[in-house]
Amino acid sequence: KQEVTQIPAALSVPEGENLVLNCSFTDSAIYNLQWFRQDPGKGLTSLLLIQSSQREQTSGRLNASLDKSSGRSTLYIAASQPGDSATYLCAVMKTSGSRLTFGEGTQLTVNP
Amino acid sequence: NAGVMQNPRHLVRRRGQEARLRCSPMKGHSHVYWYRQLPEEGLKFMVYLQKENIIDESGMPKERFSAEFPKEGPSILRIQQVVRGDSAAYFCASSLQGDYGYTFGSGTRLTVV
Repeated sequence: KQEVTQIPAALSVPEGENLVLNCSFTDSAIYNLQWFRQDPGKGLTSLLLIQSSQREQTSGRLNASLDKSSGRSTLYIAASQPGDSATYLCAVMKTSGSRLTFGEGTQLTVNP
Repeated sequence: NAGVMQNPRHLVRRRGQEARLRCSPMKGHSHVYWYRQLPEEGLKFMVYLQKENIIDESGMPKERFSAEFPKEGPSILRIQQVVRGDSAAYFCASSLQGDYGYTFGSGTRLTVV
């Protein structure tokens, strides 16, 4: 059974800092991995999708890497801003179109 | 191009009533997924549907919960005889196919009083 763990559970940083969020998964046989952002009381916004054959994806200040063999992914946020404050969720998909297994999330606070 | 539409956004039901949650996937998406987020917990898979078919319902509670995705109209998650423990945020997601990832709706927040 796939288990996804995210560390740290919460993180508070000053504005402008670069930061790394970690995600690990127990079964390396994944199809893809997706990072989401969830604002309080809101839905999920997809940030980055990495296929199992890819090593990383970038979008603006965000960079996500995937090391499938070791069961790890990181989300790097450059030059953090208060608007980045949210919960960040990592989710893995085992086969095409199948369910996502989510981590518990990292709650990020960026202080002005 | 509207995203995944869920309604209602908030739903209050008394214990024993029925709750009906609706989800309209993105245009052209034929895969629909329902997830539940209990207070202070992560998202848990409930059911995966395609038009007129339940593909995977292994995350659905055995009793009181059902889901459908008819040929026409939205997907419906139905909870019969709700109990306080059903209070949660229910999210629907749709996908063109698994390769392209999911798009989530804003969720329905169910409160059972």
